[in-house]
Amino acid sequence: AQSVTQLDSQVPVFEEAPVELRCNYSSSVSVYLFWYVQYPNQGLQLLLKYLSGSTLVKGINGFEAEFNKSQTSFHLRKPSVHISDTAEYFCAVSDPNNAGNMLTFGGGTRLMVKP
Amino acid sequence: EPEVTQTPSHQVTQMGQEVILRCVPISNHLYFYWYRQILGQKVEFLVSFYNNEISEKSEIFDDQFSVERPDGSNFTLKIRSTKLEDSAMYFCASSRTPNYGYTFGSGTRLTVV
Repeated sequence: AQSVTQLDSQVPVFEEAPVELRCNYSSSVSVYLFWYVQYPNQGLQLLLKYLSGSTLVKGINGFEAEFNKSQTSFHLRKPSVHISDTAEYFCAVSDPNNAGNMLTFGGGTRLMVKP
Repeated sequence: EPEVTQTPSHQVTQMGQEVILRCVPISNHLYFYWYRQILGQKVEFLVSFYNNEISEKSEIFDDQFSVERPDGSNFTLKIRSTKLEDSAMYFCASSRTPNYGYTFGSGTRLTVV
């Protein structure tokens, strides 16, 4: 069974500061990894994904994440955040060999960007 | 940009009543999903659907739940006899290919009273 742990439930940060949102996963098989963002009263929007290849993945809105297989981590980073990045961020994992293609989500991290 | 549309955005129902949550996936997508998020908890997988049948379902998706793609455009989730613990945000999603990355709808907030 797969599981995802997002170590921080809330991350407050000042505008224009860098941020890292942490994600660790456990799985006995190879994985695909995703980060989703949820703005207030909206659905989940895909930020970026790792399927294979380069371990550094760039996504929308200036976010990037690095897949570290030895540490089973997929941390999300942004060098300079904006007020508009305030949202809930979810890390998720799937099994490439799973026919149902289900995602297992972490508990989410609320990013709060302060002026 | 294509969207997954969910209706209604909020539904209040009495315990024991049947509810149908509706979703219109992106038109060229082939894989469809339902997830739910109980307030303050993780987003949880319910069911995946491909080629007019269920591909996988979770333990949550018991006999009270069913899904249907009645007309080639809508994708519905039915809860036969709602319980208080069914209160949650329900998300529909679709994808063109497996693991391509889902597109989620904005959700239906179901409140069972």
